[in-house]
Amino acid sequence: GAGVSQSPSNKVTEKGKDVELRCDPISGHTALYWYRQRLGQGLEFLIYFQGNSAPDKSGLPSDRFSAERTGESVSTLTIQRTQQEDSAVYLCASSVPGIGEQFFGPGTRLTVL
Amino acid sequence: DAKTTQPNSMESNEEEPVHLPCNHSTISGTDYIHWYRQLPSQGPEYVIHGLTSNVNNRMASLAIAEDRKSSTLILHRATLRDAAVYYCILFRTNDYKLSFGAGTTVTVRA
Repeated sequence: GAGVSQSPSNKVTEKGKDVELRCDPISGHTALYWYRQRLGQGLEFLIYFQGNSAPDKSGLPSDRFSAERTGESVSTLTIQRTQQEDSAVYLCASSVPGIGEQFFGPGTRLTVL
Repeated sequence: DAKTTQPNSMESNEEEPVHLPCNHSTISGTDYIHWYRQLPSQGPEYVIHGLTSNVNNRMASLAIAEDRKSSTLILHRATLRDAAVYYCILFRTNDYKLSFGAGTTVTVRA
């Protein structure tokens, strides 16, 4: 079966532009996570969706970052007025509820010039 | 956030076992111990998890100390494909988030 997919795989943008990153989770996975990974560092939690519950947005670094999820499917992470420090790999993961494994997508590499 | 401490790096020879230690002295009773690994230019991959008892799966074994303040991931026979960054993470069942630290970079020599 298909794993988690993300698009685009690479995105180069100019400072000040808005970007949208997409995540398609594994079918049936009600939990969806976004993480950010700066070069040479570990992952930072950004946001967590679980079913129809209010998302946990506690990891979003500023109000320029937002995310939406349509039902239990696709999610979009939007970064407005991008800054150079936003350059990173943005990773999406999905899972079934509980304490089991999260399945990660390949990530979107964002470069802000 | 509950923290974990891992060595920055470890080297191993191919076909030999690798023991990756992790300290988590502030673990709470409901935290699960998860291990993920990240190969170069890829997203993280689940390896194994446990709560109190030792666990085995096709990828690795997880040995958990009796007081749960430390654990060890064991790769029984390292291959070149096991070269990756290995993350020890406490999964909190009150918020379901994974908090990734810097991990241990494992190098496997042929």
